[in-house]
Amino acid sequence: DAGVTQSPTHLIKTRGQQVTLRCSPKSGHDTVSWYQQALGQGPQFIFQYYEEEERQRGNFPDRFSGHQFPNYSSELNVNALLLGDSALYLCASSLEVLRADTQYFGPGTRLTVL
Amino acid sequence: AQSVTQLGSHVSVSEGALVLLRCNYSSSVPPYLFWYVQYPNQGLQLLLKYTSAATLVKGINGFEAEFKKSETSFHLTKPSAHMSDAAEYFCAVSETGGFKTIFGAGTRLFVKA
Repeated sequence: DAGVTQSPTHLIKTRGQQVTLRCSPKSGHDTVSWYQQALGQGPQFIFQYYEEEERQRGNFPDRFSGHQFPNYSSELNVNALLLGDSALYLCASSLEVLRADTQYFGPGTRLTVL
Repeated sequence: AQSVTQLGSHVSVSEGALVLLRCNYSSSVPPYLFWYVQYPNQGLQLLLKYTSAATLVKGINGFEAEFKKSETSFHLTKPSAHMSDAAEYFCAVSETGGFKTIFGAGTRLFVKA
């Protein structure tokens, strides 16, 4: 049973560029959440997708956008990259019907903005 | 608004000693509470969760936590530390369980031989 997978593992971009990160949820899961974890800090909630729609959003600017596909996989897009966007981006999946159940996290994508 | 405070960014214990990692939360509704562990260059792994059932929650790897509503605390303990417990630990709160989850800043646990 494959867990949550994310690609790429590492990414280096320059300021002003755009980036797309990808996430495949754990088999059977239908909900995907994205988190940003800056160095030395806890993860911060970016947004959550369910039924291909953004359901809830944290305090992140519109430069951060996402998408969920019919197969429940998801993308996180960040436009006009800033140095402060350098972080580990974590994807977590869960099953909507078991709302209080566990979120399973992927290994993350390390984004470095130069 | 929900929030989580982890007391102590670094905790150091000797192998075999008691592990105590402190977490206080703020929530306007009965919360769901979680402890996660993160090893270097890895994602988060759930240790245990509280979802309004028993106040003493047992998790993996010998960890447990007690929900104390009067103290708004959810401290993580393990009777005897092992070298493999060295990692970053995050306390987290969610009002709806599975929706927006708020994480603390983390506590790095060091285990001395």
